[in-house]
Amino acid sequence: AQTVTQSQPEMSVQEAETVTLSCTYDTSESDYYLFWYKQPPSRQMILVIRQEAYKQQNATENRFSVNFQKAAKSFSLKISDSQLGDAAMYFCALTGANSKLTFGKGITLSVRP
Amino acid sequence: DAGITQSPRHKVTETGTPVTLRCHQTENHRYMYWYRQDPGHGLRLIHYSYGVKDTDKGEVSDGYSVSRSKTEDFLLTLESATSSQTSVYFCAISESTRDSPLHFGNGTRLTVT
Repeated sequence: AQTVTQSQPEMSVQEAETVTLSCTYDTSESDYYLFWYKQPPSRQMILVIRQEAYKQQNATENRFSVNFQKAAKSFSLKISDSQLGDAAMYFCALTGANSKLTFGKGITLSVRP
Repeated sequence: DAGITQSPRHKVTETGTPVTLRCHQTENHRYMYWYRQDPGHGLRLIHYSYGVKDTDKGEVSDGYSVSRSKTEDFLLTLESATSSQTSVYFCAISESTRDSPLHFGNGTRLTVT
């Protein structure tokens, strides 16, 4: 079984500052994929970033980047130059050979103006 | 946005009544999923489908059944709704294997009174 743990239920960041959201996971597979999804108040689930486990280079998408530590099974999301529109719930997720995506419990990010 | 439509968007029903939620896609994707989202639990997989008439259980499948008679439609049925099934239900689709991100519908808020 695979598990995803997001231990921080809430975080807050000042607008224009940088924030890091933590995620750890556990899987017995060697080939897997990790994702961060964003859920704003509209309830829509939006893919933020994706990381292949076999790639050592950390994924980056504009202001969003990850710190992928495979040995530690850690997959944190860094948001740079935070904007008010970044306020949302963020979910870390993992998928393996069975193609089933397992989610963490999520973290609510608030952005202070 | 990926072509995914969930219906209805909101539903209130009484305990013991049957309920069917519909997910319709226009992307011709092979994989379809049903998740439920509850506070403190993130998203949990109920059932998924990897082709027409090919379905499998997720981690919270008790009390739910699914059917997929056409590529584009994936139905979730609560045979006899209970208050514990009050939740937001998301349908998701993906193109192929685990490296393809999931695209989500806008969710159905179901309340069982």
